[in-house]
Amino acid sequence: DSGVTQTPKHLITATGQRVTLRCSPRSGDLSVYWYQQSLDQGLQFLIQYYNGEERAKGNILERFSAQQFPDLHSELNLSSLELGDSALYFCASSVGEGDFQETQYFGPGTRLLVL
Amino acid sequence: DAKTTQPNSMESNEEEPVHLPCNHSTISGTDYIHWYRQLPSQGPEYVIHGLTSNVNNRMASLAIAEDRKSSTLILHRATLRDAAVYYCILSVYDTSGTYKYIFGTGTRLKVLA
Repeated sequence: DSGVTQTPKHLITATGQRVTLRCSPRSGDLSVYWYQQSLDQGLQFLIQYYNGEERAKGNILERFSAQQFPDLHSELNLSSLELGDSALYFCASSVGEGDFQETQYFGPGTRLLVL
Repeated sequence: DAKTTQPNSMESNEEEPVHLPCNHSTISGTDYIHWYRQLPSQGPEYVIHGLTSNVNNRMASLAIAEDRKSSTLILHRATLRDAAVYYCILSVYDTSGTYKYIFGTGTRLKVLA
């Protein structure tokens, strides 16, 4: 158990809909990262938040957005969903801003299926 | 762009050493090499990381080539619980001042009893 929790575990929705994925980092960790794992693209970094502020962006679509709240939990919002958004979404956390030495601790993931 | 290349799959016998290779010929001087593994139905978990020197920890060893264009993760005695997908990752410096993980496609390790 990494100490990172994600809800829900599974989500089934329809194209065009909007969903929210939630992540609680390990106690004391200030950074939260979001990743997408799909069969064709593998694991891809989406976005990082540090202490409530956006820190780094990866291959995140404009239809996707995230935020980190004062209690440090984070939400990833996916809108206008398409079939290709079906994937595993992982959240990870780390203690600091994300320097080269920091270990990221991954949650169990949310499996999203768009029908 | 930073990229890693790994074999799709490997097999090992239980109790024997395993050498998992990774090529990262486009690595730059500030990029760190990390290895994570993903057990079935779980998120990735940290294994080891390094920059230039070989590294050892309780889980594994990391051997980095002198030119840093390749590295090898060494599991000294594979057990059935080591069956997982092993990812070689470059931690690439971003202009925002943080480091981003660039995941490879991973090697699926099968351990035979």
